[in-house]
Amino acid sequence: QVQLVQSGAEVKKPGSSVRVSCTASGGTFSAYAISWVRQAPGQGLEWMGGIIPIFGTSSYTHKFQGRLTITADESTTSAYMELTSLRSEDTAVYFCARGRQIQGKYFFDYWGQGTLVTVSS
Amino acid sequence: EIVLTQSPGTLSLSPGERATLSCRASQSVNSNFLAWYQQKPGQAPRLLIYGASTRATGIPDRFSGSGSGTDFTLTISRLEPEDFAVYYCQQYATSPPYTFGQGTKLEI
Repeated sequence: QVQLVQSGAEVKKPGSSVRVSCTASGGTFSAYAISWVRQAPGQGLEWMGGIIPIFGTSSYTHKFQGRLTITADESTTSAYMELTSLRSEDTAVYFCARGRQIQGKYFFDYWGQGTLVTVSS
Repeated sequence: EIVLTQSPGTLSLSPGERATLSCRASQSVNSNFLAWYQQKPGQAPRLLIYGASTRATGIPDRFSGSGSGTDFTLTISRLEPEDFAVYYCQQYATSPPYTFGQGTKLEI
């Protein structure tokens, strides 16, 4: 049974950084991609970026370029999302999701439980 | 970037009825690389359909996906009480970035 377990809720000050972890179990970690998707309160889903652990390559949506870093550690089957220069608009639930590949394209078959990040002074 | 527009924004139906949800893309979604997800309050999204029409593991056969090109549909043949949720479509044809529709809320 594949499970993605994320770290707990965070409260951060504007201008600070947050790091959220996502630990996978029950599958072959390196064989899949991991993406991060966020959801602001009452809003829809927004893909932020992802990583393919076996290659160590990350990609990010333009909106977060320069503020977002996604890494993975195969030894602990974990992925990490770090977002810097936080502002109030970054208040959201952050999900990790496993990307299942078909013809080099990824959809998301398993999701973490979500981590609420609140940015407030 | 492909923009996905879902309609209606809210769909009000009763258990036992048929639900038809639409997802329209701003340009053709190659190879029907389109997925549907269900999200209930306080939960993570759950994969229902990928490849426009393939049900994910464990998804009941009352859920079906269809369409191609720019127009896609999720149909729930007979609504069960647990089906009332928000549904999102997502394209993974031209990626990254992967894009989601804004969601359709299915309510009683």
